Amino acid sequence: GDSVTQMEGPVTLSEEAFLTINCTYTATGYPSLFWYVQYPGEGLQLLLKATKADDKGSNKGFEATYRKETTSFHLEKGSVQVSDSAVYFCALRRRGGADGLTFGKGTHLIIQP
Amino acid sequence: DTAVSQTPKYLVTQMGNDKSIKCEQNLGHDTMYWYKQDSKKFLKIMFSYNNKELIINETVPNRFSPKSPDKAHLNLHINSLELGDSAVYFCASSPRGGTGSDTQYFGPGTRLTVL
Repeated sequence: GDSVTQMEGPVTLSEEAFLTINCTYTATGYPSLFWYVQYPGEGLQLLLKATKADDKGSNKGFEATYRKETTSFHLEKGSVQVSDSAVYFCALRRRGGADGLTFGKGTHLIIQP
Repeated sequence: DTAVSQTPKYLVTQMGNDKSIKCEQNLGHDTMYWYKQDSKKFLKIMFSYNNKELIINETVPNRFSPKSPDKAHLNLHINSLELGDSAVYFCASSPRGGTGSDTQYFGPGTRLTVL
């Protein structure tokens, strides 16, 4: 079945550091890929997405590129802020049907001032 | 004007009880979902539903049942609650069920605690 593997945290960085959170996936066909963010005590918000190979999703300074050859969708940000502290989830969804998202286990990111 | 809303936000109950969690979306979406987030933050799909089909994750016990009075609502009913049902339950919706690229919009979650 489909699966998503992402680095488990917590990941602790200093403010203005460079961020990479690795995400790889296993799926049949060509899924759409997503990054969701969950701030403390809140629900999930879409951060960015990519729907086909070589697409780059970007939002709020975060970027991720859909790499079919390495089945990866790593999340990057050049300079993190304290307000980026949250749990980040990589997810995929197969094309067609009404099935839901398959999530990775989440990466807890802590940014220290 | 919340897009996806859930009630209640917190639910504390005894083992063996039956409870429901309500979900409403005002986005005009066709497909709704329920997810369970366990204590380690792992999220797993439970159900997806539109007016044509219900897809049930095979790992979900049949004590859990979604009920949809109309397209804007998908409630989650749980019979004979067990300790292991304690989790945060998220409702979500998306515009169309048949397109994998559609963004899913999540509600704020309901924290269920079974004592």
